[in-house]
Amino acid sequence: DAGVTQSPTHLIKTRGQHVTLRCSPISGHKSVSWYQQVLGQGPQFIFQYYEKEERGRGNFPDRFSARQFPNYSSELNVNALLLGDSALYLCASSSGLSYNEQFFGPGTRLTVL
Amino acid sequence: QQPVQSPQAVILREGEDAVINCSSSKALYSVHWYRQKHGEAPVFLMILLKGGEQKGHDKISASFNEKKQQSSLYLTASQLSYSGTYFCGTEGSGYALNFGKGTSLLVTP
Repeated sequence: DAGVTQSPTHLIKTRGQHVTLRCSPISGHKSVSWYQQVLGQGPQFIFQYYEKEERGRGNFPDRFSARQFPNYSSELNVNALLLGDSALYLCASSSGLSYNEQFFGPGTRLTVL
Repeated sequence: QQPVQSPQAVILREGEDAVINCSSSKALYSVHWYRQKHGEAPVFLMILLKGGEQKGHDKISASFNEKKQQSSLYLTASQLSYSGTYFCGTEGSGYALNFGKGTSLLVTP
């Protein structure tokens, strides 16, 4: 069975640009969560989507947005990139039920210059 | 609310035991444990639910004391492959996981 896939694996952008990150969950999973992980820290929750609806949002500015498609894949968009947005962006897939384990994808390494 | 993990780092020799603690100031519904190796994504280890149950996975087990809002991860007879950073993720109201800063574990031969 395919695990969680994310694209691209690496990305280099300059300040002020926009970026779109993509995630495909495990087959049968209906929920996708996005996390930002800076070096030396634990993942920080950005968004959670379930059945194409936003179910939760972390403490991130409005420059961050996301959506989930009918096939349950998801996109994370970040506008007006700042240097501080440089991080590993992780997508986690789960069934969407409470207390259910989340399985992480390999992540997208974003570098903002 | 970010859970607090302790210790921040630990170095073990192969075969030794270790305990990693995770505590929260808020009521918890569940605690999730992950291990992340350098340059890789976090890998799910186990989830503990309300009720104080203890779970095990090979020689790694964990407990969850909901009254104290604490969880502990026990690594028994550590192996080289146990090296990595361990994160606890706590689930409060809602479904998002709040992760601690991690505990770096190094197992040496």
